Order: sequence, then C-alpha cells, then structure tokens
Amino acid sequence: AQRVTQPEKLLSVFKGAPVELKCNYSYSGSPELFWYVQYSRQRLQLLLRHISRESIKGFTADLNKGETSFHLKKPFAQEEDSAMYYCALFGNEKLTFGTGTRLTIIP
Amino acid sequence: DGGITQSPKYLFRKEGQNVTLSCEQNLNHDAMYWYRQDPGQGLRLIYYSQIVNDFQKGDIAEGYSVSREKKESFPLTVTSAQKNPTAFYLCASRKHSGAPRNEQFFGPGTRLTVL
Repeated sequence: AQRVTQPEKLLSVFKGAPVELKCNYSYSGSPELFWYVQYSRQRLQLLLRHISRESIKGFTADLNKGETSFHLKKPFAQEEDSAMYYCALFGNEKLTFGTGTRLTIIP
Repeated sequence: DGGITQSPKYLFRKEGQNVTLSCEQNLNHDAMYWYRQDPGQGLRLIYYSQIVNDFQKGDIAEGYSVSREKKESFPLTVTSAQKNPTAFYLCASRKHSGAPRNEQFFGPGTRLTVL
C-alpha cells in the first residue's frame, strides 16, 4: 500500500520568512512524487515534481529516500503563496494524496 | 481554459436520489480519475479508468458507479447507497506516455450538496 503523510494541517508564516511544508511517504517501489497547489477559487494544479528537480515560483523539493521525505521549501515567503498544498505519490497507476497543508502568509 | 471540464459547478439533490456528474476532456488523455475532496481528508480516489470500457475501484468506491464508453468522457454517478455524498468532486486525466509523465490534470470540480 502507498501512503502520503502531511503532518501539518495549517501553517502560518510571516512574509519574507522561510517556508517548509513537510511530506513523508511509504511505498515499496521507486516513488514518483509531486506537489500540487490549489489557490483560492482556482483548480488544483501541479507545482513541481521530483523528477525534473526544478524550482517553480521559488519553491524546491528534494526527494530523500533514506528519510522517505519530499519536503517543500521556499527561502522567502510571499503573500501570493497562501494556498492549499498537497503532496502526492504516483504508484500502481494511481496518484495518492496527503491530507494537505493550508499555508497562510502573514503580511 | 479548456482541457478538462466538469458540469455542473454546483448540484443540489434530495436524499435518496441518484445523481450523475459529468467530466469531459479534450486533451486526448488515456486515463481518467474521480476524486472526492473533503476538508482535512485531502483527495481520495473513487474510481479510475486506464482505457475505454475499463475501470477500477479506488479507495472509496462504495456508493458510486462510473462508465467509460468514450475516451473523452468519464461520468460519475453518486447513488443513494452513498452514505455521505455531500462533497467536492474532482475529475482528472493523464496520458500514458510522453511528457509530462504521470502528471494529472484536474477539472474545476463539482460541489454536490444532498439535502
């Protein structure tokens, strides 16, 4: 069975401060991990994936197989980062989501 | 912003009635998925289909049914057997090969309220 855990339901961070959203997973095979974001009144969209090792909107995430983690980080939070963030694992032809973290940036 | 469309945006039904939610995609994607989104529970997979005329149960299939008669369409029926149907329903699609690999594209969602 595959599982994704996001321990924080809510996270509030001051503008300009660093952000880290935690994600841990369990999967017996080689995982493919994603971060999805849902801004207010917008559809769920892909933020980044571990395979491409890219930085999107200043966010990065590194897959740590030893710790089975895929934490999302940004060095300086911006107000427009306020949104719902989901970590997801693709395996067995399906995507399994964590319960999500609502990030609020305090001006 | 086409791609995946879901209709209607809001749906109200009386308890005991079946209701069908529409999902259409023009991305020529092979696989389609239905999720249910509830506060604090994330997205949970209801049903998915890899090819036309074939589909598999997800984690919470009880009380739901689907069909996949056309590649572009994957309607979801919420039956009266679903004990807690009021929720936000999301449809997604994915292509089997080529880039972007394994990325799912989501529709705007349908909010179903059972009175």
